[in-house]
Amino acid sequence: QSVLTQTPSTSGAPGQRVTISCSGSRSNIGRNTVNWYQQLPGMAPKLLIYSNNQRPSGVPDRFSGSKSGTSASLAISGLQSEDEAVYYCASWDDVLKEVFGGGTRLTVL
Amino acid sequence: QVQLQESGPGLVKPSETLSLICSVSGDSISGSYWSWIRQPPGKGLEWIGYMYYSGSTTLNPSLRSRVTISLDMSKNQFSLNLSSVTAADTAVYYCARGNMNRLSAYYMDVWGKGTTVTVSS
Repeated sequence: QSVLTQTPSTSGAPGQRVTISCSGSRSNIGRNTVNWYQQLPGMAPKLLIYSNNQRPSGVPDRFSGSKSGTSASLAISGLQSEDEAVYYCASWDDVLKEVFGGGTRLTVL
Repeated sequence: QVQLQESGPGLVKPSETLSLICSVSGDSISGSYWSWIRQPPGKGLEWIGYMYYSGSTTLNPSLRSRVTISLDMSKNQFSLNLSSVTAADTAVYYCARGNMNRLSAYYMDVWGKGTTVTVSS
């Protein structure tokens, strides 16, 4: 059972916009920022969004992040086949330290 | 370009100590938060901990009693020791570079490719 809750799977057609949600509590998302990581099949995770809504250099602006209260969201617009991956949210927890969501598997139809 | 590479035994016996090294190129470990994360087969990510270049460490409370992270400035490497392993410690182990922005928000921006460690007799 992960500290941060994510829907296990979602899907979308090429070109569509999908949103992946991450739910936490006051001790993590409610007090600290959220990061998002993308894990392509068979690969190491890659930082996609940090500090709620900042993109590292090289990450397309199709990816955006937001946070409200104890929840956060990752939006992917103009969905492409290469976006098929597992997406993890992460946040600092006051007690448990760095915690991850269970991951959301995105399928591009 | 910053690169991290994990190395170490792929097989460890139960009750023994798992030891991994992460070699860093393209950046000095005299900075940043050098981190370890693991992923059991078919499961999600679990953060193990980090060591700041100053020597201070922050660890996952559930693993704290068994984990040691250390830095070797002369070799630009850092290491993970996990003692008294069981089958539950079987996982892909990743090393990563951690950063904190001016608001003290921690994130891991460069990851190694990972190394698989199996605990079995």
